[in-house]
Amino acid sequence: GIQVEQSPPDLILQEGANSTLRCNFSDSVNNLQWFHQNPWGQLINLFYIPSGTKQNGRLSATTVATERYSLLYISSSQTTDSGVYFCAVEPLNTGTASKLTFGTGTRLQVTL
Amino acid sequence: DAGVTQSPTHLIKTRGQQVTLRCSPKSGHDTVSWYQQALGQGPQFIFQYYEEEERQRGNFPDRFSGHQFPNYSSELNVNALLLGDSALYLCASSQYFNLLHGQYFGPGTRLLVL
Repeated sequence: GIQVEQSPPDLILQEGANSTLRCNFSDSVNNLQWFHQNPWGQLINLFYIPSGTKQNGRLSATTVATERYSLLYISSSQTTDSGVYFCAVEPLNTGTASKLTFGTGTRLQVTL
Repeated sequence: DAGVTQSPTHLIKTRGQQVTLRCSPKSGHDTVSWYQQALGQGPQFIFQYYEEEERQRGNFPDRFSGHQFPNYSSELNVNALLLGDSALYLCASSQYFNLLHGQYFGPGTRLLVL
């Protein structure tokens, strides 16, 4: 099956710093999503981004489908950004909803 | 517009028991997928339901079964619980033929097997 790798596995930032998280995937995809998992376990949708670039406030994401990677940018980080960031992909198929394969995540800690 | 809801939030069971977890999808969604997340790992796909049928299944034993109701809500059943079944169980909903928005997750049910 499709493989998803995320880097770095762990990241510690001071409040106000910027960061880039990377997701590499091994095959063509229908769907790529970025999630933030908060300390209570809730997976919060950040981006649905199978290709191209999107921005939402301090967060932005870029997926280069032809090179099979995606980047999540966090600018001016805040302590509330702490948690685990997951990239998840849905493999290319017949066009119906399919399973998401998750990466191992990047654990982010933002300190004061 | 209610998002994905799950119940119960927490559950404690003993080995060998059976458990049922419930999920209501986001309004307008017709597909429910279940995932298991062990501590420190990413979620793993269990199975997906659409039109009350199991459409896809991950690498989980037959002890894991499910059901989808006409109102699109779903149940996950686990029989003969093992210690290793302790995990966060996440439900996700989506639209089967609309891939433009992806999957939305509920808050999860934390299951502890003693």
